[in-house]
Amino acid sequence: KAGVTQTPRYLIKTRGQQVTLSCSPISGHRSVSWYQQTPGQGLQFLFEYFSETQRNKGNFPGRFSGRQFSNSRSEMNVSTLELGDSALYLCASREGPGSPYEQYFGPGTRLTVT
Amino acid sequence: AQTVTQSQPEMSVQEAETVTLSCTYDTSESNYYLFWYKQPPSRQMILVIRQEAYKQQNATENRFSVNFQKAAKSFSLKISDSQLGDTAMYFCAFTGVSGGYQKVTFGTGTKLQVIP
Repeated sequence: KAGVTQTPRYLIKTRGQQVTLSCSPISGHRSVSWYQQTPGQGLQFLFEYFSETQRNKGNFPGRFSGRQFSNSRSEMNVSTLELGDSALYLCASREGPGSPYEQYFGPGTRLTVT
Repeated sequence: AQTVTQSQPEMSVQEAETVTLSCTYDTSESNYYLFWYKQPPSRQMILVIRQEAYKQQNATENRFSVNFQKAAKSFSLKISDSQLGDTAMYFCAFTGVSGGYQKVTFGTGTKLQVIP
C-alpha cells in the first residue's frame, strides 16, 4: 500500500498571501488529521476530518481551515499568512474513529513565510 | 483534557547500550491507547510501538519495549542495543477510546542521539 502523500513538499510564501496544502491518505483510511510542527511548540493538532466532516479542531485561529473530499483526500488552507506560520505541516491518516487508533504520517510540507 | 509530558528534551546513548525515554500522561479516561512515534532527522514520522491501556502486558517490538504503569500514568520506552539509525526525535502520544472522535495528544518530544 502506498503511504500518506503530501504536496507540495516545500513552499515559500510572502506575508499576507494564502496557501493550500494537500494530503492523500493511505488507501482505505477515511480519517485525516493535520498538525503544525515547530521547534518551539512541538506538534500541535489543527483538525481532523472523517467522512468529509470536521470532527475535531485544535486551538488555531480561523485563518486555518480544511476540507475533505469524498475520496478522503484532504486540503488545508491558511489565509493571510504570518511569519509565525512558518512550520512543517504534517498530515496523518488512520482508518477511522474505531480501532486501530494509530496514525500514519506523511512526509510533511515545509512552509516558509517571508 | 489529556496532557502528555516528556521531561527529557535531549538524551544520548552509546551505540549498543540501552536507553529509556520517559513519558507521563494525565487523563480521567479508563480506556485509551498510548504510542511512541519516531521522527528521524528530515524523515517521516513512524510508529514505533503502541500499548492498549486495558492490557497489563507491556508491548514489545524487537529492540523496543515499554514499561506501562497505569496507576502512575507512566509510559516509558526502552531501546535495547541502540543503533545509529535510532537517532531521532521520539514522541509519546495518547488517544482516548471512550467514543466519538478522540484526538491524539502528543508530548513535546525527546531528541535521542546515538553515539558511535
